[in-house]
Amino acid sequence: ETGVTQTPRHLVMGMTNKKSLKCEQHLGHNAMYWYKQSAKKPLELMFVYNFKEQTENNSVPSRFSPECPNSSHLFLHLHTLQPEDSALYLCASSQASGRDSYNEQFFGPGTRLTVL
Amino acid sequence: GQNIDQPTEMTATEGAIVQINCTYQTSGFNGLFWYQQHAGEAPTFLSYNVLDGLEEKGRFSSFLSRSKGYSYLLLKELQMKDSASYLCAVRARRNTGGFKTIFGAGTRLFVKA
Repeated sequence: ETGVTQTPRHLVMGMTNKKSLKCEQHLGHNAMYWYKQSAKKPLELMFVYNFKEQTENNSVPSRFSPECPNSSHLFLHLHTLQPEDSALYLCASSQASGRDSYNEQFFGPGTRLTVL
Repeated sequence: GQNIDQPTEMTATEGAIVQINCTYQTSGFNGLFWYQQHAGEAPTFLSYNVLDGLEEKGRFSSFLSRSKGYSYLLLKELQMKDSASYLCAVRARRNTGGFKTIFGAGTRLFVKA
């Protein structure tokens, strides 16, 4: 138990559905992250939020829409996904990082997403 | 563009020392991460190197040479529980502002008795 929870743990959706992934951290952190891990592909950092502001967007398609209403919650809104978007989506949190420093990230257990 | 290379697999013996190398090519280099990931689990942050040199943290140490585009993760007194994938990732500044982080494919380490 890392103090980072994700719901749902498993999700199956059709390509025309709209769904949202939720992440919540109970560690008093102020930075949050979304990662994608596909089978046989490198881990991909999708988005970074520091103090609710998006500071990194690694060329993620617009069918993935993040939302960070406060420092404890992070959402990933999904719409018109493709089968190749099936993957494990991991959330992490940390203390906010500066230009030349990076604080330890704590990961949630992930949401296993399957797009049919 | 960015390119990160690390060996696909390594095998080492319990109690030994193993060095996992990572080479990278990128512009706007800011820092380099190492993560550990056991099968079926989320990654665990190990280190973030910004400056050249060796940083030690218990049995694990991470080294960076910015001029050579090279890093390594050193694991001492190997234990069976160290069998995992080790991910190298590079953080770099974008030309348009902000940062991007790219991961290598990971090195699967097998520790045998």
